[in-house]
This record gives sequence, structure tokens and C-alpha cells, in this order.
Amino acid sequence: GENVEQHPSTLSVQEGDSAVIKCTYSDSASNYFPWYKQELGKGPQLIIDIRSNVGEKKDQRIAVTLNKTAKHFSLHITETQPEDSAVYFCAASTGGKSSGDKLTFGTGTRLAVRP
Amino acid sequence: EAQVTQNPRYLITVTGKKLTVTCSQNMNHEYMSWYRQDPGLGLRQIYYSMNVEVTDKGDVPEGYKVSRKEKRNFPLILESPSPNQTSLYFCASSPTLTGEQYFGPGTRLTVT
Repeated sequence: GENVEQHPSTLSVQEGDSAVIKCTYSDSASNYFPWYKQELGKGPQLIIDIRSNVGEKKDQRIAVTLNKTAKHFSLHITETQPEDSAVYFCAASTGGKSSGDKLTFGTGTRLAVRP
Repeated sequence: EAQVTQNPRYLITVTGKKLTVTCSQNMNHEYMSWYRQDPGLGLRQIYYSMNVEVTDKGDVPEGYKVSRKEKRNFPLILESPSPNQTSLYFCASSPTLTGEQYFGPGTRLTVT
């Protein structure tokens, strides 16, 4: 089955700096790569996703890049703000509808933005 | 408001005492899942359901049961809880099996 590794497990940055979180996956058939943000006391929430036919996707201060050859994808947050402090999860799936398809999550990165 | 609700939010129980965590969604999603979150292990899927009366095991199903009698509800049942089931549990619903997951607020369970 799919295995998703996520690094680093914790990340501390100064407000205004950039943060990068990296994930690798094992199943070359995976074609959908979402990122979730989990604020304290809440459930994870989708913030951005990318599909395998796209190499990069941006949404304001966040961007995700995908390298299918190397089987890794990354989340980039620019101009970090204190409200970006949260736990971030990457995930991968084959995006199908059969019962064998599933969303596999990484182990999470705790991001702290220092004011 | 579109949402997934879970109850209770916090639960402390003793080994062997059966419990049920309820989950309900109002988005008419076909797919629902239960996850547990543990430090260093991320989110691991326990069970999922593709529709009413259709459920299947996820990655860590041992010690858990589920049922899907109605489309909106997907309760998680621990018939004989053990301390290794102490965890943070999330219910999620989605319009497709692997698409965007809409998570509930979580249930923190402690088994002593």
C-alpha cells in the first residue's frame, strides 16, 4: 500500500519568513495530493491540493509543488503570520472510486511562527 | 451550515466498558470515515463507508466496529476499550472516497 513520509515533524520560523514542508510517497499510481491544516482543538481542513497533471499550484501565500519522477511534493508558505501556526498534514491517493483506493496521510508537521 | 458533528468531544472511561462515539453530517455525502490521530503517527484510517450498509476496514480496524444505517450517521463503537485506544478520533465525510475530507471537531478518548 501507499506510504507517505513527511518532514520535518516540527518547524519554527520567524514571522515573515518562508516555511517549507516536504512529503514523499511510494505508490507511483498516486495522482492526488492534498494538504490539510489542523488548528488547535479543531479537525483538519483542506487548504490546497494538486493533481498529477500539474507541477505547481498557488493560492495567495501558499503553494504546492509536485515532482512525480522523484515522488515528492512540498508545501510552501511565504510571508508567514502567527495564524499560520498549526499542524499540517500531507496526503496522497490514487483518486479512484474502488474500495481499494484510499487517502494516506503523512505524520504531520507542527509549524510555529514566532512573532 | 455544512458540518460534521461528533459527540462526545471528551470521554474518559475504564477498560472494558462499551462506548459509542456518534458522527453525523449534513452534506449528503456518500463517503464517511473514522480516523485516529496519535503523536508521531499522523492520521490513520480505522473504518470507512461508501454508502448505507457498506463499510470496510481501514488501516487500524482492530478493536472497533462501525455501522451505517442512515446516510448521515456513522457511529464508532468500542465494545471493550483498552488503554491503547486512548487517542484523538476524527470522523470525516466526503463526496468521493479520496476527495476532500470534511472533518468533525474530534473526540478525545482516554481509557484507563
